[in-house]
Amino acid sequence: EPEVTQTPSHQVTQMGQEVILRCVPISNHLYFYWYRQILGQKVEFLVSFYNNEISEKSEIFDDQFSVERPDGSNFTLKIRSTKLEDSAMYFCASTYRVEKLFFGSGTQLSVL
Amino acid sequence: KQEVTQIPAALSVPEGENLVLNCSFTDSAIYNLQWFRQDPGKGLTSLLLIQSSQREQTSGRLNASLDKSSGRSTLYIAASQPGDSATYLCAVIRSRDDKIIFGKGTRLHILP
Repeated sequence: EPEVTQTPSHQVTQMGQEVILRCVPISNHLYFYWYRQILGQKVEFLVSFYNNEISEKSEIFDDQFSVERPDGSNFTLKIRSTKLEDSAMYFCASTYRVEKLFFGSGTQLSVL
Repeated sequence: KQEVTQIPAALSVPEGENLVLNCSFTDSAIYNLQWFRQDPGKGLTSLLLIQSSQREQTSGRLNASLDKSSGRSTLYIAASQPGDSATYLCAVIRSRDDKIIFGKGTRLHILP
C-alpha cells in the first residue's frame, strides 16, 4: 500500500532555531495536512493545503509557521523560530478526496 | 463547536476477551468517521472508515458502528490479542468545512 513518508523521524533543535519538517505525500493525493501531538495530548490540526495554497489553518498555526509544496512531491512545514512549546510529534497526512486520511509516521521535534 | 470524546481514556482487558471502545461527537453533521490505531511514538494507522450514510464497517476482528443521530460510534474488537495493545483514536470530518477533529484516544492494554 502506498505510504506517506516523513523525514527526519527525530529532530532536536535549540530554541530560536528554524526547522523544516519534510513529508512526501502519496503521489495522486490532492489534500495535504499537518497535525501535531504534544505528549499525552490530542492530535491537533495545524493546517490544510489544497491546490497549492492553504485552505485552512488553526490558531496554533501563527506567523512562525509556514508550509510549502516546492516541487510537486514534497510538502514541508517550517517553524521559523522554535519555542519550547513547539516540542511535539508532527504528523503529515494526505488524501485524494476529503475522506480516508493516510498519515506518515511522524517527526518527533524536541526543542531545547 | 464539534467535540469528540472517547471513553474510557484507558482500558486493560485479559487476552481473548471481546471489547468495545466508544467515541461520541457533539455535532452530527459529519462527512465520515475514521478509527485509527497509534502505537507508542509512532504514526497513525487507519483501521476503518465509515461514511455518514453507513451504519458499520468490518475488517477482520474489528467492527465499527456509527449512529450519526445520537453522535456515537463504537469500535468492537473480537478475541483480543496482546498485539492489539495501542491507543485507538476516532476522528470525524465535519460536513460544513471538511475539518478533521480527533478524540483524545483510548489507551488499550491487552493482558497476556
